[in-house]
Amino acid sequence: QKEVEQNSGPLSVPEGAIASLNCTYSDRGSQSFFWYRQYSGKSPELIMFIYSNGDKEDGRFTAQLNKASQYVSLLIRDSQPSDSATYLCAVGNSGYALNFGKGTSLLVTP
Amino acid sequence: EAGVVQSPRYKIIEKKQPVAFWCNPISGHNTLYWYLQNLGQGPELLIRYENEEAVDDSQLPKDRFSAERLKGVDSTLKIQPAELGDSAVYLCASSLAPGDTQYFGPGTRLTVL
Repeated sequence: QKEVEQNSGPLSVPEGAIASLNCTYSDRGSQSFFWYRQYSGKSPELIMFIYSNGDKEDGRFTAQLNKASQYVSLLIRDSQPSDSATYLCAVGNSGYALNFGKGTSLLVTP
Repeated sequence: EAGVVQSPRYKIIEKKQPVAFWCNPISGHNTLYWYLQNLGQGPELLIRYENEEAVDDSQLPKDRFSAERLKGVDSTLKIQPAELGDSAVYLCASSLAPGDTQYFGPGTRLTVL
């Protein structure tokens, strides 16, 4: 079973702080890594994708990938109450299927 | 550019009844996915289409679930007969090609009574 693990949370951070979301995966053959945001009652919305080791920045979001340690993380700088949602980590392999974690619930408090 | 369209958004049926969900992918996206999402869980793949061909349906419960993608565009997912455990959100997603970023539709929330 190819697994993607996330801490379910909730992760609570004050407004303006950095939120750090982590994800580990079991399949060493994984090639693509995605972070989706899902508001309650809504469908997943793509935030970022990363394919290579290292950091990738997009606005307030930074994705970090370490294939040797099999983890991927998402940093949200200057967190806002509107960032409160569930963040899903998804991992793709050569079969093109995406394996999703259960998601981490983030709560940004004013 | 229009996103992935799904209908209906909500469906309530009694167990043993049939139900069907419809999906229209983003224009030009050849790959279409159907996922099932239970409360508190991540989406789980049911079936993946490349154009009109189902290339990954290993997780589709074929005794009661069926899907089709005629002409390689719209797709329909059917359940017959529905069971109580089928209550979930059914998500459709599409991508330009296999392995590309997947974009999700709004989903259909199914309640089986």
